[in-house]
Amino acid sequence: GESVGLHLPTLSVQEGDNSIINCAYSNSASDYFIWYKQESGKGPQFIIDIRSNMDKRQGQRVTVLLNKTVKHLSLQIAATQPGDSAVYFCAERGYNFNKFYFGSGTKLNVKP
Amino acid sequence: KAGVTQTPRYLIKTRGQQVTLSCSPISGHRSVSWYQQTPGQGLQFLFEYFSETQRNKGNFPGRFSGRQFSNSRSEMNVSTLELGDSALYLCASSLYAGGNQPQHFGDGTRLSIL
Repeated sequence: GESVGLHLPTLSVQEGDNSIINCAYSNSASDYFIWYKQESGKGPQFIIDIRSNMDKRQGQRVTVLLNKTVKHLSLQIAATQPGDSAVYFCAERGYNFNKFYFGSGTKLNVKP
Repeated sequence: KAGVTQTPRYLIKTRGQQVTLSCSPISGHRSVSWYQQTPGQGLQFLFEYFSETQRNKGNFPGRFSGRQFSNSRSEMNVSTLELGDSALYLCASSLYAGGNQPQHFGDGTRLSIL
């Protein structure tokens, strides 16, 4: 079946540095991807999405890159802040399947 | 605009009991999905409802069921509770079912089975 995985379960960065969180997906039919942020005691919060007809999309301090050739998704966070500390999930969805598949998550620790 | 609201936030039950969880989607959203989140299994899809109809179902036993009302609010029910049902149950809403649009999550119901 489809699977979405993350290369690094835990990532520690210094405040002010840039963070890169990676995600691999296995279904080449997936055409829509989302990054979520989940803080302790809360539900996942939508960060940014990207469709398969794009390879890059930027938001406020965040950039998502999509490499369909190697089925890889990344989330870049600029000038990481302590408030960015959370677990980050990627999710994929394809036109021929009606649900999202979530990765296992990467915990981002921001050191002051 | 209010977000997705889930009630109750915390629940403690014993084995064999049943439980009903409630979800109110974002105003105007007609699709509601339910997920189970555990440390070991991550986020697992339970089911999705749209226009009061179940559109998709995950790989969970029949003890897990749900429904959606005409105002798009949804409930999920778990019968004959087992210890392994202890988890965070998350509800997510979107404008419609399928398509390239994000789901927005509530903060979940933390269910503990004793």
